[in-house]
Amino acid sequence: GAVVSQHPSWVICKSGTSVKIECRSLDFQATTMFWYRQFPKQSLMLMATSNEGSKATYEQGVEKDKFLINHASLTLSTLTVTSAHPEDSSFYICSAKSGRGVETQYFGPGTRLLVL
Amino acid sequence: RKEVEQDPGPFNVPEGATVAFNCTYSNSASQSFFWYRQDCRKEPKLLMSVYSSGNEDGRFTAQLNRASQYISLLIRDSKLSDSATYLCVVNFIDTDKLIFGTGTRLQVFP
Repeated sequence: GAVVSQHPSWVICKSGTSVKIECRSLDFQATTMFWYRQFPKQSLMLMATSNEGSKATYEQGVEKDKFLINHASLTLSTLTVTSAHPEDSSFYICSAKSGRGVETQYFGPGTRLLVL
Repeated sequence: RKEVEQDPGPFNVPEGATVAFNCTYSNSASQSFFWYRQDCRKEPKLLMSVYSSGNEDGRFTAQLNRASQYISLLIRDSKLSDSATYLCVVNFIDTDKLIFGTGTRLQVFP
């Protein structure tokens, strides 16, 4: 199946710093990528939909100025958590679509963020 | 009310048991339905799609009742390796968005 990578796999940072997470589709071109967040014992929540070459579409309640998304190429999307705070500590997962249909959406391995 | 609701469990069952998970969704515009599996600290992985006529994949059987907005997953002959969280997922018409349930945790013991 298609492969999606994320980097870094985990990060620990001090409160107030910014953290960038990369999501790459390794063997296919992804016009659409999605960013999710999952808190412990909770569901994956969609944060935003990222389309190559255009602005991301954010879900209700997600601050676009805090979670900056850049989809610069067909194989790379980045999520930057600006001025991270302890409440931003979570598991961030991206997914990328390789074609039409939900079954073509592949998930990255996730990035675990801990803000001290 | 949550868009996708599941019993969080955990379901603790012995090897070889049959276990069933249920899920309800609130939006009648939901078009596609899936079961994903998520291991601890890992990304979710597609287990199977769910079709109106019901479908089976080996030991796994999925059912959909659109009238009741209800989805189920049946696992027969449980294996230790089936231990994971099972996520009920719906997709709305004309969108690629996936709406995840909170998941049902399954623990299979020897």
